[in-house]
Formats: sequence, structure tokens, C-alpha cells
Amino acid sequence: DAGITQSPRHKVTETGTPVTLRCHQTENHRYMYWYRQDPGHGLRLIHYSYGVKDTDKGEVSDGYSVSRSKTEDFLLTLESATSSQTSVYFCAISEGVNEQYFGPGTRLTVT
Amino acid sequence: GDSVTQMEGPVTLSEEAFLTINCTYTATGYPSLFWYVQYPGEGLQLLLKATKADDKGSNKGFEATYRKETTSFHLEKGSVQVSDSAVYFCALSPMNTGFQKLVFGTGTRLLVSP
Repeated sequence: DAGITQSPRHKVTETGTPVTLRCHQTENHRYMYWYRQDPGHGLRLIHYSYGVKDTDKGEVSDGYSVSRSKTEDFLLTLESATSSQTSVYFCAISEGVNEQYFGPGTRLTVT
Repeated sequence: GDSVTQMEGPVTLSEEAFLTINCTYTATGYPSLFWYVQYPGEGLQLLLKATKADDKGSNKGFEATYRKETTSFHLEKGSVQVSDSAVYFCALSPMNTGFQKLVFGTGTRLLVSP
């Protein structure tokens, strides 16, 4: 299995609070991705990174920011969480056009 | 824009039945096509892929053929097992992006009973 961990695995937070999710890889892959998974929508890309300090927006980036200061870490931040951001968040990694490997997911509930 | 359409689930089958999960896509040119599987409580795993027209991807008894003329990539298995119960996602990666920028379908849940 690819070495990808996500933390925390579960989080409950209140509307308006900031939240940061962490993705950590041990594979030294160049590309990292954040997705959200919602019923009826499959997985949708939030942001991705193509190198340290190099990031770009995905399909559903509003309300989210990311940072990548080291190859192995990709952080997703919700500056002010809303109930619409209740979801399961997945991190993935890849090396170019090769297979994407997914982490175990973080279940976030915003009350 | 690019999109993937999958049949809605759940698909409920008895063990050893034949499985088909339909997937069609809309994209420019020749995207790469994928099937991912998600077991309960886990992340997604690549099941199979095809990168050009008429390619057949296969893995663990599952197969899918890249049909450019019908823009389809249907997943099939001749004899399902209880352990195949999972959610299956069809996805595409547009051509010429230099990396995998996946577009997913909504997923199809498969339930296999003994």
C-alpha cells in the first residue's frame, strides 16, 4: 500500500470555526490532491499541488485553501467552516500520469 | 466540460451472478479511463484502466473495454462474490494534462448476497 496518512480521521466542529486537515505521504510523489466525497456527486477535486508551494484550484475550491511547504505534506484549510462542508475528504498522490493512490479519508461534520 | 455518467445503484446480485455496471463519458479527444473501487470505510483503489480506444483493462476477474464509438467503458465480471460488495467509480483523465486530473462519476454501489 502507498504510504498516505490523513489526520484527523474524524472531526466534529462548529460553524464558523477554522479547520485544517493534513495529508502526509512517504512516497515522494510530486502531485497531491484533495477531494471531497458526497452522495450523488462522487468525488470532486478541491485543490491540487504539482510541487512544493505550487498549487491550483479544482472544481469546488470556494471556501477552501491549501498549502504545501514540504513534499510530503499537503494541508487543506477551511477558514470558516459551514454546514455545506460536511463531507468525507480524501487526499491522493500521483507521480505524473501514473495511478493516483488514495488515503483513508477524513470524515468532517460541521454542526 | 468533461463528465462521466454511471448507472445508479444499488445493484443487488446473488453470488456467482454476472455483473455489468454501465459508464459513459463526455470528453474531448481520447481521455484515459479508469474504474476505482471503494470498500466500506476505506479510500479508493484503482481496479483497472485503459488509455486508448479498444484497449481492455482487466483485474481480479473484472474487465472493461474502451469504446470510442459509444463513449463507454462498462465494467463486467462473470461471477461476482460477496467480497465484491463495494462502491465502484468510473473516472476519466483528460488527454494532454501532463498528470491525472480525474473526473469521477457518482459511483454505483454493488451488494452481493450469498
